[in-house]
Amino acid sequence: GAGVSQSPSNKVTEKGKDVELRCDPISGHTALYWYRQSLGQGLEFLIYFQGNSAPDKSGLPSDRFSAERTGGSVSTLTIQRTQQEDSAVYLCASSLAGYTEAFFGQGTRLTVV
Amino acid sequence: RKEVEQDPGPFNVPEGATVAFNCTYSNSASQSFFWYRQDCRKEPKLLMSVYSSGNEDGRFTAQLNRASQYISLLIRDSKLSDSATYLCVDRGSGAGSYQLTFGKGTKLSVIP
Repeated sequence: GAGVSQSPSNKVTEKGKDVELRCDPISGHTALYWYRQSLGQGLEFLIYFQGNSAPDKSGLPSDRFSAERTGGSVSTLTIQRTQQEDSAVYLCASSLAGYTEAFFGQGTRLTVV
Repeated sequence: RKEVEQDPGPFNVPEGATVAFNCTYSNSASQSFFWYRQDCRKEPKLLMSVYSSGNEDGRFTAQLNRASQYISLLIRDSKLSDSATYLCVDRGSGAGSYQLTFGKGTKLSVIP
């Protein structure tokens, strides 16, 4: 499809394990965003990419969180030593430019047990 | 810190009613705004852009008031399928800006 694709759609992991979440943006979209949404809560900004660089990492909650983007396309969000409070839906969005409408993937539902 | 504030609701309205939501934003330099809707346990989806002159898309009307720094969304002839959370988005000051700031959303329930 032509939309934003995220994988896996669901992930259950044990506390203390590392997880990788993947986002494949719409082809040609230079801007990519990661958000986190806990149940019943609003969207929490994590990080923004313009091309392969991340001018704004201010939303990453701790140094256990990191993200990278390669080839101006696919992005990976890595959470090390997962904690129960990391349980949430992780949403990725992409846009053609920094000020145009953004489109979301279906998210990855992460559950840390 | 750039913020977007919305009344969380819930707004419970009967089918056929007209309902309006407001949203205030803190970044006076912002030029671009959007409304998204989010259904339960789904991703946000673009509803409409907000133009400075106001714009309409079917039953939906969006308006921007720069002087008071708020945007609004009006829904006429509400349908059951309009039940969702509506998110206000500040897209920042135009070309070169990457800002994508979401409000926490206003929940709408349309009742038969």
